[in-house]
Amino acid sequence: SQTIHQWPATLVQPVGSPLSLECTVEGTSNPNLYWYRQAAGRGLQLLFYSVGIGQISSEVPQNLSASRPQDRQFILSSKKLLLSDSGFYLCAWGTDFNTEAFFGQGTRLTVV
Amino acid sequence: QQQVKQSPQSLIVQKGGISIINCAYENTAFDYFPWYQQFPGKGPALLIAIRPDVSEKKEGRFTISFNKSAKQFSLHIMDSQPGDSATYFCAAFFSGGYNKLIFGAGTRLAVHP
Repeated sequence: SQTIHQWPATLVQPVGSPLSLECTVEGTSNPNLYWYRQAAGRGLQLLFYSVGIGQISSEVPQNLSASRPQDRQFILSSKKLLLSDSGFYLCAWGTDFNTEAFFGQGTRLTVV
Repeated sequence: QQQVKQSPQSLIVQKGGISIINCAYENTAFDYFPWYQQFPGKGPALLIAIRPDVSEKKEGRFTISFNKSAKQFSLHIMDSQPGDSATYFCAAFFSGGYNKLIFGAGTRLAVHP
């Protein structure tokens, strides 16, 4: 069966520090991968999505970047965090044939 | 043009009542419309979904109504229960090689006993 791993679960980082959140998927190949951000009490904002290795589409210009170095690995990064980067970050995967997206448990990032 | 607008922002329903959440979209290229349920501190999970060639889909107490001409769809929760209290998101999927899943802003549902 397919599983998605996202870590860490919580993270407190100072302003100006770098960020690296990792997401891996097991049990499937060539998944579509997504990074979403959910601000407190708000909806899910699509940040990046990827249909294959090295293929990243950015939805919102911001202080973040994404990379897909391996088929089932998706990384969200920042060189210098801002206070406004605080939020709940969710990784998700899907396939071309099953449009359901399966979400990880999320990372709650607090920038202080 | 790729937005999904969801209302209301929050909803309070008595146990046994009907919860109704509405969504509207603009881009007719969307070809799949799922609803997700999210409990606090957890990732969203698929609840029910519909394709635009169907006007209604029912799974247990959950029903999606879809109006293609109006570009609107809604979620009805019949006999709402306290355990249904969660945040609900409508979404729209745009395939055709792009595979984008766009979410509405969410509705926080509270079902009171």
